[in-house]
Amino acid sequence: DQQVKQNSPSLSVQEGRISILNCDYTNSMFDYFLWYKKYPAEGPTFLISISSIKDKNEDGRFTVFLNKSAKHLSLHIVPSQPGDSAVYFCAASPNRDDKIIFGKGTRLHILP
Amino acid sequence: GAVVSQHPSRVICKSGTSVKIECRSLDFQATTMFWYRQFPKQSLMLMATSNEGSKATYEQGVEKDKFLINHASLTLSTLTVTSAHPEDSSFYICSANQRTDTQYFGPGTRLTVL
Repeated sequence: DQQVKQNSPSLSVQEGRISILNCDYTNSMFDYFLWYKKYPAEGPTFLISISSIKDKNEDGRFTVFLNKSAKHLSLHIVPSQPGDSAVYFCAASPNRDDKIIFGKGTRLHILP
Repeated sequence: GAVVSQHPSRVICKSGTSVKIECRSLDFQATTMFWYRQFPKQSLMLMATSNEGSKATYEQGVEKDKFLINHASLTLSTLTVTSAHPEDSSFYICSANQRTDTQYFGPGTRLTVL
């Protein structure tokens, strides 16, 4: 049973536009959420996180929104750039120091 | 930022041999390290939690006798794939906690078993 779900395996977005990646979770014990970016044959790179006490966290071009009642979070990238083409993993954890449960990832293609 | 290294980055071995993968936290002490495995087109699957000075905690379905984990020091955890078979071919990633921040991941190790 998947606790973290990314239902879109891939997404294509025009360069300069907004990329929106979605993620749903089922475990109400999750208290800390993260997004990672991964290039082929490399380890994931941390992008941005959000604690359950917040509903939005922004860092440069990246913004994560959390809707606890819907058990849904999303990552917004604006404006999208060619280097953003990668696989994005949504992840959740009961707290900052605990193990992280990953979704299956969404492959983002930024089109020229 | 915190750096986690893995060695080797790539290994090819024959079926039946054992392979050791090292995970090091280079500039911080990590009492806990995690080992993940990535299958093609699938998510990163947590295999085990490695605790310094004690036995690793394995996730359900992961064979502890096949995937031996040793967390000998606060900066080093090793994963040994024993008697490797082609189905063990995968991308193995470790991560380490820095208590004041989030987890940092190693660059991964690509294992190919012939």
